[in-house]
Amino acid sequence: GESVGLHLPTLSVQEGDNSIINCAYSNSASDYFIWYKQESGKGPQFIIDIRSNMDKRQGQRVTVLLNKTVKHLSLQIAATQPGDSAVYFCAETLGGSNYKLTFGKGTLLTVNP
Amino acid sequence: NAGVTQTPKFRVLKTGQSMTLLCAQDMNHEYMYWYRQDPGMGLRLIHYSVGEGTTAKGEVPDGYNVSRLKKQNFLLGLESAAPSQTSVYFCASSYLRGFPNYGYTFGSGTRLTVV
Repeated sequence: GESVGLHLPTLSVQEGDNSIINCAYSNSASDYFIWYKQESGKGPQFIIDIRSNMDKRQGQRVTVLLNKTVKHLSLQIAATQPGDSAVYFCAETLGGSNYKLTFGKGTLLTVNP
Repeated sequence: NAGVTQTPKFRVLKTGQSMTLLCAQDMNHEYMYWYRQDPGMGLRLIHYSVGEGTTAKGEVPDGYNVSRLKKQNFLLGLESAAPSQTSVYFCASSYLRGFPNYGYTFGSGTRLTVV
């Protein structure tokens, strides 16, 4: 089966810098993508999502970009803070009547003060 | 408003023992899921349910059984635990599909160790 993967398993940034976390997906039929944040000992927490008919979506300090041509998804975090340190997962679903999510392996973001 | 509650939070089992993990949600969600999370593997779907009385297999169902007798509860059972089932288990629930987020809410997880 097709799966979602990540380019980098770890990312270390300085506080105040911008962070970019990447995700590659292989199922061209995927219709909907979600980014989750998982802090140590906790369950995944929704950050932002995007539909396949969109290229960009912005939230508070976060932006998700979708490039369907190369099947690439990225999460940009502006002015990264120590509280942003966590594992970040992308997830995809086929949409429509398919509500099951397929998760990537995750990227560990470490923010250095 | 508790959201999704998982019990227990931690458990150590001996090989061959059985146990049941309980997931309860108070959001009246139709869909419920059980995922396992292993290092470097992300979250993988074990079983899911689209409504009371229904269950279906996910990506890695072998060695597990589930039941959804009540809409708010989704039970995950291990009949004969194996070391390969050592993992962190997450339950999630969602309302009928929709944007944003498909309404997914995750529990805080159950850390299971099989020795």
